Amino acid sequence: DTGVSQDPRHKITKRGQNVTFRCDPISEHNRLYWYRQTLGQGPEFLTYFQNEAQLEKSRLLSDRFSAERPKGSFSTLEIQRTEQGDSAMYLCASSSMMGLVGNEQFFGPGTRLTVL
Amino acid sequence: GQSLEQPSEVTAVEGAIVQINCTYQTSGFYGLSWYQQHDGGAPTFLSYNALDGLEETGRFSSFLSRSDSYGYLLLQELQMKDSASYFCAVRDSFNDYKLSFGAGTTVTVRA
Repeated sequence: DTGVSQDPRHKITKRGQNVTFRCDPISEHNRLYWYRQTLGQGPEFLTYFQNEAQLEKSRLLSDRFSAERPKGSFSTLEIQRTEQGDSAMYLCASSSMMGLVGNEQFFGPGTRLTVL
Repeated sequence: GQSLEQPSEVTAVEGAIVQINCTYQTSGFYGLSWYQQHDGGAPTFLSYNALDGLEETGRFSSFLSRSDSYGYLLLQELQMKDSASYFCAVRDSFNDYKLSFGAGTTVTVRA
């Protein structure tokens, strides 16, 4: 399978704990995005990378959130001191500079986070 | 900020035609995309409009009017498998590849 993969698919944690999610994009894609989606809403942009450079972070991304893409391939999203309001589906997407004027994003299956 | 409005729900019968409207108010505009998401699944790309007019891809078509800040997705010959949520999304500049999504329209297809 050559699509975007995310791990884990589900994570249940207690408030105050740290969690880390991993995203493996489509191998030839140089752009990688993180979004958050809550029930009944569309995905909300969190941050994105071009190769290993983090080019933009949303104001939604508090200091408790950090993302890395150290070698321009996979990415990790860490949430420190989780809060119940962090419960959501965390989606990763990737895109190519060459695809449809660089606009088509390919999404992974997401990591569903539940903070108790 | 970005604001995209689309109807929350649409119900139709198999074989019918459904139009999902999207109006947007954004700080910039480079293109309008549509994504489909089945319950529990990942969003998947359907179409993209950067210029005014109609883009047709099989049973689905998408339209854009930049002057009206408006677009729509047209689903023709509805099938049960088309039951899903549909999101419009705006890319607001050439150098910025992130997408701002609407809240989504849930389409329910009945037999």
